[in-house]
Amino acid sequence: GAVVSQHPSWVICKSGTSVKIECRSLDFQATTMFWYRQFPKQSLMLMATSNEGSKATYEQGVEKDKFLINHASLTLSTLTVTSAHPEDSSFYICGKELAGEGNEQFFGPGTRLTVL
Amino acid sequence: GENVEQHPSTLSVQEGDSAVIKCTYSDSASNYFPWYKQELGKRPQLIIDIRSNVGEKKDQRIAVTLNKTAKHFSLHITETQPEDSAVYFCAAGRGGGNKLTFGTGTQLKVEL
Repeated sequence: GAVVSQHPSWVICKSGTSVKIECRSLDFQATTMFWYRQFPKQSLMLMATSNEGSKATYEQGVEKDKFLINHASLTLSTLTVTSAHPEDSSFYICGKELAGEGNEQFFGPGTRLTVL
Repeated sequence: GENVEQHPSTLSVQEGDSAVIKCTYSDSASNYFPWYKQELGKRPQLIIDIRSNVGEKKDQRIAVTLNKTAKHFSLHITETQPEDSAVYFCAAGRGGGNKLTFGTGTQLKVEL
């Protein structure tokens, strides 16, 4: 399967700080990447679709000014959680679609964010 | 938008038995239906998928069936083993850069 890396794998921060999570496509370029959030014992919820060179498309209910997404290159997308609060503590996962194969989506290893 | 429902939420089977997880979707335009396995603290891993032009697909002990008319699809695991214990998610989407909508997940426990 496609290789997606994510950094950091876990982070603990104080309330009010900002945290940046990087998602890299290691084997081929990804025009589109997806950002998900997963709370304990819950499903993956899509936060936004990240498109290289253009603005991200956010899902309803996701604050675009709080969750900043930048997809500056075909291999890197970043998610910045601004002014993080304890309720933002979650498992954040990026995913990319395998181009040419038709729809297969592969995920990064995830980032466990804990906001104190 | 798409809505995916998944049942059951938990499933316990004896080793060697079969396990079946069912999902329904609402968007008739969805044409791609993957299944993911997620172990605790890890990323979801694609285990099998099916596209709308196929009714059934099998890969060793795992099979998926799709009924487009009824808008439901199912995961079948035969000869279950303890290492099959995990959370399984179904998903539906239109592909081509479009998003996937995930089901709520099924916690499968295979008991010795």
